[in-house]
Amino acid sequence: EIVLTQSPATLSVSPGERATLSCRASQSVSSKLAWYQHKPGQAPRLLTYDASTRATGIPARFSGSGSGTEFTLSISGLQSEDFAVYYCQQFNDWPLTFGGGTKVEIK
Amino acid sequence: QVQLVESGGGVVQPGGSLRLSCAASGFTFNNYAIHWVRQAPGKGLEWVAVISYDENGKYYTDSVKGRFTISRDNSRNTLYLQMNSLRPEDTAIYYCARDYSPGSGRYWATNRFGPWGQGTLVTVSS
Repeated sequence: EIVLTQSPATLSVSPGERATLSCRASQSVSSKLAWYQHKPGQAPRLLTYDASTRATGIPARFSGSGSGTEFTLSISGLQSEDFAVYYCQQFNDWPLTFGGGTKVEIK
Repeated sequence: QVQLVESGGGVVQPGGSLRLSCAASGFTFNNYAIHWVRQAPGKGLEWVAVISYDENGKYYTDSVKGRFTISRDNSRNTLYLQMNSLRPEDTAIYYCARDYSPGSGRYWATNRFGPWGQGTLVTVSS
């Protein structure tokens, strides 16, 4: 099973600033990595897939990068609606796995 | 618009059974693989199972193999998850999630999840 490790567990950021989230895979997943946003009481939302492709309707301030075992999600100009938990997910091999999540909170 | 609505959750004793449903609308249901993903209280997301658009392909996470069965009825635009021999560690919110892109042939699942339903809570407790 491919283990995804996200860091940091919690990130405190001021509105308008940039947040950088990390996801490390225990073995190469090529570019088969997605990022999701999850707010309490809501359905998770796909942000990016194939490491760097934004899903339909996702604002340009969300940017994914990386390949192999190291991936990053950057959120520029954080807005109030961006404070949430973010998960990475690999789809290179079965079983599909998620990282433990990074909570982005208001500083 | 695309909508996924889960139902069937509730409280069940250890060793018991429950069947979850996911009613879909707003897209051509029989073109897409569909997944179940769960979130235990205070924990992260965990993928559970997937079924291909034509029901010929299925995969499960190891912890539910032999206990859970995923199925679908394309005539009713509905996905199911039959859960048997339930354990306390199965307690979670269960989400259904559509594959992001339609499947075809050997590429029956792209394994990116979107959109998702709102979830249904399953509690396994005596």
